[in-house]
Amino acid sequence: RKEVEQDPGPFNVPEGATVAFNCTYSNSASQSFFWYRQDCRKEPKLLMSVYSSGNEDGRFTAQLNRASQYISLLIRDSKLSDSATYLCVVNSYSGGGADGLTFGKGTHLIIQP
Amino acid sequence: EAQVTQNPRYLITVTGKKLTVTCSQNMNHEYMSWYRQDPGLGLRQIYYSMNVEVTDKGDVPEGYKVSRKEKRNFPLILESPSPNQTSLYFCASSYGRNTEAFFGQGTRLTVV
Repeated sequence: RKEVEQDPGPFNVPEGATVAFNCTYSNSASQSFFWYRQDCRKEPKLLMSVYSSGNEDGRFTAQLNRASQYISLLIRDSKLSDSATYLCVVNSYSGGGADGLTFGKGTHLIIQP
Repeated sequence: EAQVTQNPRYLITVTGKKLTVTCSQNMNHEYMSWYRQDPGLGLRQIYYSMNVEVTDKGDVPEGYKVSRKEKRNFPLILESPSPNQTSLYFCASSYGRNTEAFFGQGTRLTVV
């Protein structure tokens, strides 16, 4: 089972619409969760951290469901500038192989005028 | 300005010619990583370092070396590059292994 799974999309959404996507993670001991945004061929940048109680930053809302091991991102009133790839990120542990943060492969979002 | 700086941004080289990609951060972060990103495969960790002189292998370390002689610098070394190392490479740093990672702008490497 992959550590962090996301629907790759693309999600084609009209400007102004609300869009939501989820990500599932396999390590039940994970404690840190993030959403990153990556524009084409650019570096990933933190969009928001995800807290157990859920959190909101302007038009963006992130939720964490520990029981079902998934994280969601909701974007309201979508803008053309929201077009990007959104990476779900979860911490992993050392003990052979990758350490630190594990990145999902990303969900590609296209906002259409 | 807090940043992670990678150089070069673009590099085309030939098979077998040793190269180094530099990475430097000015945030006094202890944890640094190298990733490669390939279409359909996402970001995969190559090597990481928890502090000076402490480095370890990530998911895809074969064909790469790193060093961490100073806290701010974490160079990636390809002793004998091969075409399958053609990729987009990112360096990242963070306070700890589970905290927000800050990325460099990336190095697009082509090995012919």
